[in-house]
Amino acid sequence: KQEVTQIPAALSVPEGENLVLNCSFTDSAIYNLQWFRQDPGKGLTSLLLIQSSQREQTSGRLNASLDKSSGRSTLYIAASQPGDSATYLCAASNSGNTPLVFGKGTRLSVIA
Amino acid sequence: DAGITQSPRHKVTETGTPVTLRCHQTENHRYMYWYRQDPGHGLRLIHYSYGVKDTDKGEVSDGYSVSRSKTEDFLLTLESATSSQTSVYFCAISGLAGKFFGPGTRLTVL
Repeated sequence: KQEVTQIPAALSVPEGENLVLNCSFTDSAIYNLQWFRQDPGKGLTSLLLIQSSQREQTSGRLNASLDKSSGRSTLYIAASQPGDSATYLCAASNSGNTPLVFGKGTRLSVIA
Repeated sequence: DAGITQSPRHKVTETGTPVTLRCHQTENHRYMYWYRQDPGHGLRLIHYSYGVKDTDKGEVSDGYSVSRSKTEDFLLTLESATSSQTSVYFCAISGLAGKFFGPGTRLTVL
């Protein structure tokens, strides 16, 4: 059974800092991993999807990596801004249509 | 935007009453999912569907039932709502670029 963990649960950084959010998963037979952003009281916005055959995906200031052998994914945010403040969720799937298994998220605060 | 809507967006009901939440999608996706989100627990799968009339249970399915009589609609029913079912409910679909979520329904059971 796939389990996903995100540590830390909360993180506060000054504006402009580069930061890394961590995600670990237990089953290396992962098909893909997806990162989401959730603002307070809002829905989930998909940020990046990494297939098991890929090592990295990039979108603007965001870069996500996947290391199946170590059971880890990271989300790198460059030059953080107050508008990046949100909860970031990672979720793993063991096939293309298998339901996602979510971590509990990292709540990020970027201080101006 | 994956063309997913949920209704109602907010609902307050009383213990013991039946409640049905609707998820509607416009892009003919085969797979649909219902999750609930609670503080301290994150997002947990309730039920999912892999086609019309084809559904399966998730991690927290007790007290919930689902139906899918046509591709575009996936209904979640609480037969007799309890206070422990107070939560935010999200519907999702599976597309080529990953899974995408609806805006959520905030349900309060008094």
